[in-house]
Amino acid sequence: AQTVTQSQPEMSVQEAETVTLSCTYDTSESDYYLFWYKQPPSRQMILVIRQEAYKQQNATENRFSVNFQKAAKSFSLKISDSQLGDAAMYFCAYRSANYGGSQGNLIFGKGTKLSVKP
Amino acid sequence: DSGVTQTPKHLITATGQRVTLRCSPRSGDLSVYWYQQSLDQGLQFLIQYYNGEERAKGNILERFSAQQFPDLHSELNLSSLELGDSALYFCASSVDWGGPYNEQFFGPGTRLTVL
Repeated sequence: AQTVTQSQPEMSVQEAETVTLSCTYDTSESDYYLFWYKQPPSRQMILVIRQEAYKQQNATENRFSVNFQKAAKSFSLKISDSQLGDAAMYFCAYRSANYGGSQGNLIFGKGTKLSVKP
Repeated sequence: DSGVTQTPKHLITATGQRVTLRCSPRSGDLSVYWYQQSLDQGLQFLIQYYNGEERAKGNILERFSAQQFPDLHSELNLSSLELGDSALYFCASSVDWGGPYNEQFFGPGTRLTVL
């Protein structure tokens, strides 16, 4: 079974600085997707960025970028120029790219609570 | 706004009771997923339906059941409620039941409190 681990329960960053959130995962599959979701105090789950495992190029969405190391099964999120609105829980998630069984659902890590200091 | 709606937003009930949570997927989405978010267990997948049929099961208790109706809305039924069932229940929807390019869109969640 696949697992996702986020080893940093809490992180803090100064406004306008850069912060990196860590995520490792375990899978025997070769084709999958990885995601970072943001959950602000409103509790809404917001997709921040996604990465296809077959793509070597790291995904980027504005101030958010990932460092995807497939061999190391590592998937970190870098937030540049941090803003107060970035304060939230961040969840790393895995989903199989295959059909069948329970592979359509997301498998989440425990989350990292990010605080942004003004 | 993801296009996925969930009702009610909040639900407070007593132990031993039964409740029903409702989810309407985005227009055009055939799959519905239910997730539970609790302090001790984190975010866990419960069950998935695709076009009215159960497709996958996760860590769903026997006291819990779900169904997807012909109009594609889904209901999650929780019975014999216990204090530990207090959690945020999310519904998500997607076009397909698996495979690539099958983005899941989350609803705002239903906060269940069992007293």
